[in-house]
Amino acid sequence: SYVLTQPPSVSVAPGQTAKITCAGDDIGTKGVHWYQQKPGRGPVAVVHDDADRPSGIPERFSGSTSGNTATLTITRVEAGDEADFYCQVWDSRTDHWVFGGGTKLTVL
Amino acid sequence: EVQLVESGGGLVKPGGSLRLSCAVSGFKFSSYNINWVRQAPGKGLEWVSFISTSSSYIHYADSVKGRFTVSRDNARNSVYLEMTSLRVEDTGVYYCARDGGGARFYNWFDPWGQGTTVKVSS
Repeated sequence: SYVLTQPPSVSVAPGQTAKITCAGDDIGTKGVHWYQQKPGRGPVAVVHDDADRPSGIPERFSGSTSGNTATLTITRVEAGDEADFYCQVWDSRTDHWVFGGGTKLTVL
Repeated sequence: EVQLVESGGGLVKPGGSLRLSCAVSGFKFSSYNINWVRQAPGKGLEWVSFISTSSSYIHYADSVKGRFTVSRDNARNSVYLEMTSLRVEDTGVYYCARDGGGARFYNWFDPWGQGTTVKVSS
């Protein structure tokens, strides 16, 4: 089955840039989606199709892919950005949606 | 306002059954695919099931295939997840999520409901 690998945690100081990676075979061919989940809440999409932002999501959130890695970049990090982040792709070989294990973003 | 509201969660014994519902409002329900996703306590997201607009395409995670059945009623703006032979490892918060509406057939999930909690325990 297809596997997406994320670092368990990323820490960043306020005002700095956070980068959260998601590794998977040929991930650049699949269309990667990213979600933010705050405690006790349902997830919210912050980037879809590698680099597009849903309406209402700040420009500070951006996505990119290169080789076998997708990256969610959050610039000018704020305390309110602290959350768990998940990447996701559709695996057409198995007709399954696949999520990464999640990354906890801590704002120092 | 687009809303998805899950219900039907609760405490059930191993081997038991439960039916979850997802009621939607604020958009043309019959035009969107719907997914179920669950989250075990303290764990990450796990996709459970997908149902297309006319129920022609249905997919399940390997962990629930043969035990869970997804269905929808476009006249009632609702999706259902029938869960049987429940196991302790099925415990968690269950979310329904709408297709984000992109150009592909399988699109990102947006928005999500607030979730309903299922606990399987003796």
